[in-house]
Order: sequence, then structure tokens, then C-alpha cells
Amino acid sequence: DTGVSQNPRHKITKRGQNVTFRCDPISEHNRLYWYRQTLGQGPEFLTYFQNEAQLEKSRLLSDRFSAERPKGSFSTLEIQRTEQGDSAMYLCASSLGAGYQPQHFGDGTRLSIL
Amino acid sequence: EDQVTQSPEALRLQEGESSSLNCSYTVSGLRGLFWYRQDPGKGPEFLFTLYSAGEEKEKERLKATLTKKESFLHITAPKPEDSATYLCAVQVFEAGKLIFGQGTTLQVKP
Repeated sequence: DTGVSQNPRHKITKRGQNVTFRCDPISEHNRLYWYRQTLGQGPEFLTYFQNEAQLEKSRLLSDRFSAERPKGSFSTLEIQRTEQGDSAMYLCASSLGAGYQPQHFGDGTRLSIL
Repeated sequence: EDQVTQSPEALRLQEGESSSLNCSYTVSGLRGLFWYRQDPGKGPEFLFTLYSAGEEKEKERLKATLTKKESFLHITAPKPEDSATYLCAVQVFEAGKLIFGQGTTLQVKP
């Protein structure tokens, strides 16, 4: 059973650059979620998809952030014009859509802004 | 506003010393409460789901319980390998997202 896969695991970039992260969910899962986690805090919801439809976006998600899930399989999260405050761990999770099934997380992409 | 609070923030135990972690929540309509374990540099690992007050789940040395206002994660005779951050999260009406507490970092010394 392959779990949720995220790439890259680490990303270091200069302030103002654009970055893109990829998430491959568990194959039979139709829901996919993005969260952000800073040191000492629990994950914070960003957005989620059911199949290819983006159903909810957090108010915390500025217009510099965009997420896609074009064919209902993998997803990408792009951050444009990165800022120091974007430094965090970006986590992806997936779940089955029926009922309230547990979300299974990948090991995240750690973003560091220089 | 939906809110989840975990206590204590940090807990140090000797191996074999049982204890409990608390997760209290204020939400508009609880649909599920989830416990996760997170090791440094890793994503959260799913442990339990609880759906209704009075429900209990067990796995090895861990037991999770749920009331209408809070959940407890009981750790019986912990071992050093139980050292991790334990996260509690809730899922509410009509929403796919999880709302997480800030976590309890557990250290078990041999």
C-alpha cells in the first residue's frame, strides 16, 4: 500500500521567487487536502479537493497561493513571490470521500525562504 | 469559532509511568475527532477516530476516549519509542478540513 508522496522534501529559495510542490495521494482516495505547519503548532488547513473540484479555501490562503488537481489524481501547490512568512512545512493528505474517513498525511515539503 | 486546545504542551515520563493527554474542543457540530502521532520531520500518522461521546478505541499502549467536550489519550506503561508529538483534530459539519490543536510533545525516558 503506497502512502501519500510529496516532492520535493525540502525547498530552499530566495524571497520573491516562485515555488511549486507536488502531492501524489493514495490511489483510491478522491479527497486531497493541503495544510501548513509551523514549528510548535498543529497543521493549519489551506484548501481541499474532491476529485478535480476545489471545494474549500482557507481565508488564510492569500492570492499568492494557488492549488490545482487537474485530473483528480496528483495535486500541485504554487506560491508566487515568496515571503519570509511562507517558511513552513507544507503537508498534503488524502482520504476516501464517503463519510468522515481519516485523512492520511505525507511527510511534507519543508520550505525555507532566505 | 471552532477551537481545539491540547494540554499539557509538553510531558516527560519515565518508562512505565502511565499518564493522559487532554484535548478539549468547542465546535459547532462534531462529526469526528481524530488522534495522530507525529515524529520529528515526518507527517502526522493516523491513530484513532472517535465519532460519539462514550466511544473508546485502543491500540497497544494507547487508549482514546471521547466525551461531549473533550477527549483523552491514555498511555499505559509507555516506552521510549512512544516519544512523539500527539495531535488531536476535529472535523465538523459540511467541512472536509480538520481543525488541529497545537499538540502535546511526549518524552519517555528509559
